[in-house]
Amino acid sequence: GAVVSQHPSRVICKSGTSVKIECRSLDFQATTMFWYRQFPKQSLMLMATSNEGSKATYEQGVEKDKFLINHASLTLSTLTVTSAHPEDSSFYICSARDRRGAYNEQFFGPGTRLTVL
Amino acid sequence: TQLLEQSPQFLSIQEGENLTVYCNSSSVFSSLQWYRQEPGEGPVLLVTVVTGGEVKKLKRLTFQFGDARKDSSLHITAAQPGDTGLYLCVFRERKRVILASNFGNEKLTFGTGTRLTIIP
Repeated sequence: GAVVSQHPSRVICKSGTSVKIECRSLDFQATTMFWYRQFPKQSLMLMATSNEGSKATYEQGVEKDKFLINHASLTLSTLTVTSAHPEDSSFYICSARDRRGAYNEQFFGPGTRLTVL
Repeated sequence: TQLLEQSPQFLSIQEGENLTVYCNSSSVFSSLQWYRQEPGEGPVLLVTVVTGGEVKKLKRLTFQFGDARKDSSLHITAAQPGDTGLYLCVFRERKRVILASNFGNEKLTFGTGTRLTIIP
């Protein structure tokens, strides 16, 4: 099956700093990647859709200036949390759509746990 | 935002027992997927169903898509500790017209999740 990686897996940062999270599709090209946020014991909430070579589409309520998304290549999308605050602490998960599959399934990365002190 | 309800929200049973998890919505969807997520990891795809009434089996797991494409169920037979995890149903929005420009980019709607614990 398709493999998606994320880096880093865990990050702890001070309030006010910026953190970059990478999402890579390892064995397929992904023109579309998705970024999700998950709070403890809750389901996934879509933050934005990342399209290669164009601007990301953000969900209602998600600040685009705070969560910067760059999808510079067919295998890499990055999410930068700018001026992070403790309330940004969460589990961030990316997914990539594999168009080779019959149903264009999304495959998820292992997630990045962000802790803002 | 469409709400996708899963029930039960939490379930803790003994090893060897059977269980069923339900996923319900008021909307019609083009396809349905079930994922399992373990703590600290991303969700892993278990199955995709696309036809109303479709039933798929994956070893001890049986997945069913409702006839009206509004609901789904997951039945586990003889549960084992390795089945422990967060089970998520995911629907893909049904569109009347799928344009070449947006094909494959339909949003996924995640269920509220069922946290399953199998006690050895």
